[in-house]
Amino acid sequence: DAGVTQSPTHLIKTRGQHVTLRCSPISGHKSVSWYQQVLGQGPQFIFQYYEKEERGRGNFPDRFSARQFPNYSSELNVNALLLGDSALYLCASSFTGDGNTEAFFGQGTRLTVV
Amino acid sequence: LAKTTQPISMDSYEGQEVNITCSHNNIATNDYITWYQQFPSQGPRFIIQGYKTKVTNEVASLFIPADRKSSTLSLPRVSLSDTAVYYCLVGDNNNAGNMLTFGGGTRLMVKP
Repeated sequence: DAGVTQSPTHLIKTRGQHVTLRCSPISGHKSVSWYQQVLGQGPQFIFQYYEKEERGRGNFPDRFSARQFPNYSSELNVNALLLGDSALYLCASSFTGDGNTEAFFGQGTRLTVV
Repeated sequence: LAKTTQPISMDSYEGQEVNITCSHNNIATNDYITWYQQFPSQGPRFIIQGYKTKVTNEVASLFIPADRKSSTLSLPRVSLSDTAVYYCLVGDNNNAGNMLTFGGGTRLMVKP
């Protein structure tokens, strides 16, 4: 059974551009969360979606948005890219949106903004 | 959210037991303690979770004293492949599975 898959694996964008990152959760998982990990730091929570509804939002500007589709896959969009948006973007899925359920992470998308 | 404090880095040798301690003085009654492992350029991987006393699985053991203000992740007989960053997380039932709060983690280096 496939794990969490993210695409693309690597991406280079120019300042001011827009980017869309994609995530497919483990089959049967209804919750998807997004994290940003800057080099040398721990992942920082951006969004959580469960059953297509936003459940939580971290301390990120409105340039960051996300959505979840009926098949539970998800997209993270970032507008007006800044150099500081360069990071590893991680997607995690879990079976439910509540409780102490284990989160399964994908390999991430490495975004470089130049 | 309860803040966690753990050593920035640790060194060990193959075959040794490694204990990484995490301090969480403000842990709440509903909070669970969870440890994740992360290799370079990969997403974090769940290792173990506990509420109190001791939990053991095929990978590690987690020791939690009665006051729950700290916890210790124990890795038996480490190998070179255990070189990674280990994160201690504290969260309640509403957050633990998803809206995870990661600190800086402990960078474990296992030497031959």
